[in-house]
Amino acid sequence: AQSVTQPDIHITVSEGASLELRCNYSYGATPYLFWYVQSPGQGLQLLLKYFSGDTLVQGIKGFEAEFKRSQSSFNLRKPSVHWSDAAEYFCAVGPFTGTASKLTFGTGTRLQVTL
Amino acid sequence: EAGVTQFPSHSVIEKGQTVTLRCDPISGHDNLYWYRRVMGKEIKFLLHFVKESKQDESGMPNNRFLAERTGGTYSTLKVQPAELEDSGVYFCASSQGFLQGSTDTQYFGPGTRLTVL
Repeated sequence: AQSVTQPDIHITVSEGASLELRCNYSYGATPYLFWYVQSPGQGLQLLLKYFSGDTLVQGIKGFEAEFKRSQSSFNLRKPSVHWSDAAEYFCAVGPFTGTASKLTFGTGTRLQVTL
Repeated sequence: EAGVTQFPSHSVIEKGQTVTLRCDPISGHDNLYWYRRVMGKEIKFLLHFVKESKQDESGMPNNRFLAERTGGTYSTLKVQPAELEDSGVYFCASSQGFLQGSTDTQYFGPGTRLTVL
């Protein structure tokens, strides 16, 4: 069965500092990987996704993520965090089967940004 | 283009009552999913419709939960009777599937926060 681990429940960074949110997955086949963000009072917004090709993917709001097959990881990064990035971030995995299917999520990482 | 919408945004009911949640997917999306997040835990899959058919309902917790998708458009999720452990945020998502080489991406609604007292 697939699983996603986000080891950091809560992270605090200063505005302008760099950010890396960790995500490890367990999956028996080639996965689709996603990062979603939920801002306070909002729904889940897709930040970026990886299906194949270049292992470094760019997303919205200046975020990027790198797929490392050997480490089963898909960490999210941002070089300089803004106060508006304070939110909860979810990593998710889906099957690369060519058929629409459910996603498996991690428990989320809550990001706090200090000024 | 309108996104996924859900109604109501919040619902507070007493144990034993019935609640019906509604989801309107993005127009043209054949795939519709329900997920739930219980406080502090991961977002968990409940079920998946393809048009009006249930493709996968392996995540439905028990027979108190009934999901329908009338005519392959909007969907409802009914909880009857509600229990305390049903409290959480219920998310709906839709996707168009894998079409002509495009990749499948799920777009989520804002969620319905259900509180059972």
